[in-house]
Amino acid sequence: KNEVEQSPQNLTAQEGEFITINCSYSVGISALHWLQQHPGGGIVSLFMLSSGKKKHGRLIATINIQEKHSSLHITASHPRDSAVYICAVSGTASKLTFGTGTRLQVTL
Amino acid sequence: GAGVSQTPSNKVTEKGKYVELRCDPISGHTALYWYRQSLGQGPEFLIYFQGTGAADDSGLPNDRFFAVRPEGSVSTLKIQRTERGDSAVYLCASSLYRGGTGELFFGEGSRLTVL
Repeated sequence: KNEVEQSPQNLTAQEGEFITINCSYSVGISALHWLQQHPGGGIVSLFMLSSGKKKHGRLIATINIQEKHSSLHITASHPRDSAVYICAVSGTASKLTFGTGTRLQVTL
Repeated sequence: GAGVSQTPSNKVTEKGKYVELRCDPISGHTALYWYRQSLGQGPEFLIYFQGTGAADDSGLPNDRFFAVRPEGSVSTLKIQRTERGDSAVYLCASSLYRGGTGELFFGEGSRLTVL
């Protein structure tokens, strides 16, 4: 079992839909990162969180430390949100462990 | 530059050759990470530097891989006797804070193809 599991692996949504991507982890962490990777592009950090909830524009990230679970929500989705979304956790050993990503496609 | 810079952006080499990949992090960032990403996969940890020292090199797959950061800034990932399985995008990230507790800034990656 991977230390970081994401679901779904693939997601297709219509423009305007509310989207949720989930991340579960099995190790103790100091922080959890949500990252975005566009096709052929680099990786951009969206959020880093260790508790509670953060919001940036149409993106919201939440984390439940007790349940070892985090969610990334996208409100009013748009085709430009199409990308791979990656959850990564920073454990006590400092290195980051990545999930395999969720490929999101938002259509008109 | 303002961001993390990686060179070369693309490298094609023959099996058995030696390759160096360079990462220039954001100025002042003490934490530097190397990852590699194969097609359709999430990034795989290779090595983490805190300052000049390799704080965690547990992800290096074998002794053909080596990385240095002699002055605590630029880092070079060195791959000896390259194999076809080494083909991947090699990503570098830097952070102001240690231990993955700071925001990460990624370079565009170096795409290595071993023929």
